[in-house]
Amino acid sequence: EDQVTQSPEALRLQEGESSSLNCSYTVSGLRGLFWYRQDPGKGPEFLFTLYSAGEEKEKERLKATLTKKESFLHITAPKPEDSATYLCAVQARNQGGKLIFGQGTELSVKP
Amino acid sequence: DSGVTQTPKHLITATGQRVTLRCSPRSGDLSVYWYQQSLDQGLQFLIQYYNGEERAKGNILERFSAQQFPDLHSELNLSSLELGDSALYFCASRPGQGNEQYFGPGTRLTVT
Repeated sequence: EDQVTQSPEALRLQEGESSSLNCSYTVSGLRGLFWYRQDPGKGPEFLFTLYSAGEEKEKERLKATLTKKESFLHITAPKPEDSATYLCAVQARNQGGKLIFGQGTELSVKP
Repeated sequence: DSGVTQTPKHLITATGQRVTLRCSPRSGDLSVYWYQQSLDQGLQFLIQYYNGEERAKGNILERFSAQQFPDLHSELNLSSLELGDSALYFCASRPGQGNEQYFGPGTRLTVT
């Protein structure tokens, strides 16, 4: 069964304190792995797509990496505005493009 | 702003009632996906449409149905509502080139 597990469930950082979020996945034929940011009561906001092991994508203070079993979202020198829930999702081949989401990591960055 | 619109933003209704949620995809996107987000289940895929045709189904209840119209907007119909149907309902659209999905702002459904 295709599955996504994110850790930790919650992460509290001080402003400027870098850290990483983990996404472990099992999927029968990976088409893509996706990272989203979600603010309370809002829709998920697309951040990155990763397709193959070794691939990396960067956007401002965020960097996403992919291996055959997991993905990491590295946050460098975070700011309070980076506080949100970060969702990881996988898309399997031959399943119509649906996304299978993890439960998310709730990030809080204190000034 | 993702370019995906959903109405209404909030909906409060009673058990046993029926509601319709509406979604307009980004301009040019032919694929529409519906997801349900509840506190205990997280984001769960419900159903996908592509250019008016149903393409994939997830764990969608028989009480729920959807359709996509010729102008590409989509509607999700929820009937015989139960308390457990209270959740955020999101629609997302996918561009022809690329696999990422862009989510709308969601409809918060409260069943009392």
